[in-house]
Amino acid sequence: EAGVTQFPSHSVIEKGQTVTLRCDPISGHDNLYWYRRVMGKEIKFLLHFVKESKQDESGMPNNRFLAERTGGTYSTLKVQPAELEDSGVYFCASSQLGDVDEQFFGPGTRLTVL
Amino acid sequence: AQTVTQSQPEMSVQEAETVTLSCTYDTSESDYYLFWYKQPPSRQMILVIRQEAYKQQNATENRFSVNFQKAAKSFSLKISDSQLGDAAMYFCAYRSSPHAGNNRKLIWGLGTSLAVNP
Repeated sequence: EAGVTQFPSHSVIEKGQTVTLRCDPISGHDNLYWYRRVMGKEIKFLLHFVKESKQDESGMPNNRFLAERTGGTYSTLKVQPAELEDSGVYFCASSQLGDVDEQFFGPGTRLTVL
Repeated sequence: AQTVTQSQPEMSVQEAETVTLSCTYDTSESDYYLFWYKQPPSRQMILVIRQEAYKQQNATENRFSVNFQKAAKSFSLKISDSQLGDAAMYFCAYRSSPHAGNNRKLIWGLGTSLAVNP
């Protein structure tokens, strides 16, 4: 069974540009999470989807970030316009519905904003 | 708000020896989950071990075990018979109980980089 996949693995863009990150969860996983790790800081929660609905988006930094999950399958996270402080590693995780909710992580997308 | 603290940025251990990674947390909740995740170099994060706060017995997974001290809000990870493949970044994480609502987010420590010396 395929794990969580993320694309691209690495993105380098200039300040002011737009970048879209993609996450494909494990098939059948209704929960999808986005996290971000900025260098030298803790991994931070960004948002949580249950199927196509945003369950919790309390961690989204500002309105330059837009997350979608079309049809409850893959998810995209768009940053527009990108700022220097958006640099970091963006992780996606997925899990099945239920109390245990073990989150399976993708390899991450390393975003560098110059 | 809950916080997780890992005070050891780097640790090292000799192959076959035992090492303990520290984690403390702060919460006003009585029911929650604690996790240790491992991220090997250039690889995906994987769950090592999970502890439910309502369980008094410490969780164990093969060579990995935890020392969960609820009153002290401490959750350390012990790795026995360390192997070269244990070299990784280890993260401690906290999650509220699902019975407390729909808050499923993980709250993370800074991580501890573990080196295993042959």
